[in-house]
Amino acid sequence: GDSVTQMEGPVTLSEEAFLTINCTYTATGYPSLFWYVQYPGEGLQLLLKATKADDKGSNKGFEATYRKETTSFHLEKGSVQVSDSAVYFCALSDPGANSKLTFGKGITLSVRP
Amino acid sequence: GAVVSQHPSWVICKSGTSVKIECRSLDFQATTMFWYRQFPKQSLMLMATSNEGSKATYEQGVEKDKFLINHASLTLSTLTVTSAHPEDSSFYICSARVLGQSYNEQFFGPGTRLTVL
Repeated sequence: GDSVTQMEGPVTLSEEAFLTINCTYTATGYPSLFWYVQYPGEGLQLLLKATKADDKGSNKGFEATYRKETTSFHLEKGSVQVSDSAVYFCALSDPGANSKLTFGKGITLSVRP
Repeated sequence: GAVVSQHPSWVICKSGTSVKIECRSLDFQATTMFWYRQFPKQSLMLMATSNEGSKATYEQGVEKDKFLINHASLTLSTLTVTSAHPEDSSFYICSARVLGQSYNEQFFGPGTRLTVL
């Protein structure tokens, strides 16, 4: 079945540091890929998405590129801020599975001033 | 826009009792809502897909008689945990899919923490 694997956390960075959060997936079909973010005390929010190979999703300075050859969708940001502290979830939606979302475990990012 | 609320945000109950959790889409209509369960330090696991006016579709391994789902309107779905036991303690999250979206974006509620004593 479908699965999403995220790197182990938590991750602690200093403000303005470079961020990479790894995400790889397995899927039977040709999935859409997502990054969701959950700020403290809030629900999950869509951060960015990519629906086909080589697409780059971007939002709020975050980027991720759909790499079909490596089945990856790594999240990057060039300069993190304290306000980026949150839990980040990688997810996929396989079009053959009624568009259900499959999530990775999530990773907690803490950014210190 | 696209705000989803859940009520209550947390609940503590005795073993053997039933608990109802509400999920509402506040500013949009949702023909489809999803219920997830999240254990500490683990990912969200889909429990069931709830479609307005029809029976919910449960994932493999989820007891439909224990986790009753009702989606009576385009803005409300409820999850009732019947005869709750300590192993049902968890974080329950709902989401709603916006009618007419060309891709599968789901809007999530803030979650409900259930503790069964």
